[in-house]
Amino acid sequence: DTAVSQTPKYLVTQMGNDKSIKCEQNLGHDTMYWYKQDSKKFLKIMFSYNNKELIINETVPNRFSPKSPDKAHLNLHINSLELGDSAVYFCASSQGHRANTEAFFGQGTRLTVV
Amino acid sequence: AQSVTQLDSHVSVSEGTPVLLRCNYSSSYSPSLFWYVQHPNKGLQLLLKYTSAATLVKGINGFEAEFKKSETSFHLTKPSAHMSDAAEYFCVVSHNAGNMLTFGGGTRLMVKP
Repeated sequence: DTAVSQTPKYLVTQMGNDKSIKCEQNLGHDTMYWYKQDSKKFLKIMFSYNNKELIINETVPNRFSPKSPDKAHLNLHINSLELGDSAVYFCASSQGHRANTEAFFGQGTRLTVV
Repeated sequence: AQSVTQLDSHVSVSEGTPVLLRCNYSSSYSPSLFWYVQHPNKGLQLLLKYTSAATLVKGINGFEAEFKKSETSFHLTKPSAHMSDAAEYFCVVSHNAGNMLTFGGGTRLMVKP
């Protein structure tokens, strides 16, 4: 069983489109995250939700809207896609959001905007 | 504010020789530190974590790291490299507010036969 699963794994789309990436975790965790990895492999947090409530929003354009229908899901919707949105997006989860808590990552979604 | 610097973007070793991946951090708090590994086209897997207990931390696959507060370092080592260790390695510091992970730039480990 995959602990943190993202769909789709690959996504190729045109500029201006709207797309969603789904994330589900079956670990019973209460905190979920989205991270973006750019072409130079640099990883940066985008959002964090705890018990469906937004707790971190790191200066991400408002074209990106996370949605957490329940604790096990954190989906990422992106409007009006731009070339610069091309990256690998990782979902993660943890039990609690204290600093010493291990985060479990999904396999990533490679988004390519053409 | 906190930051992480991985001192080498690429490290190349021969199979069976020791591995050293260097990491320095800065943090306003007593830090929680992690090493994650990313194999090609895979997600991130936790290797080990330091959370203010023992300064020498043992992880999976024979890796270990030593926390040195005086040097603000958390270097990753392994006595003998295996071909399967070839991957990207990330040193990470956690911010207490929301467990926000700050990643280093990554070190690509290459293992030669």
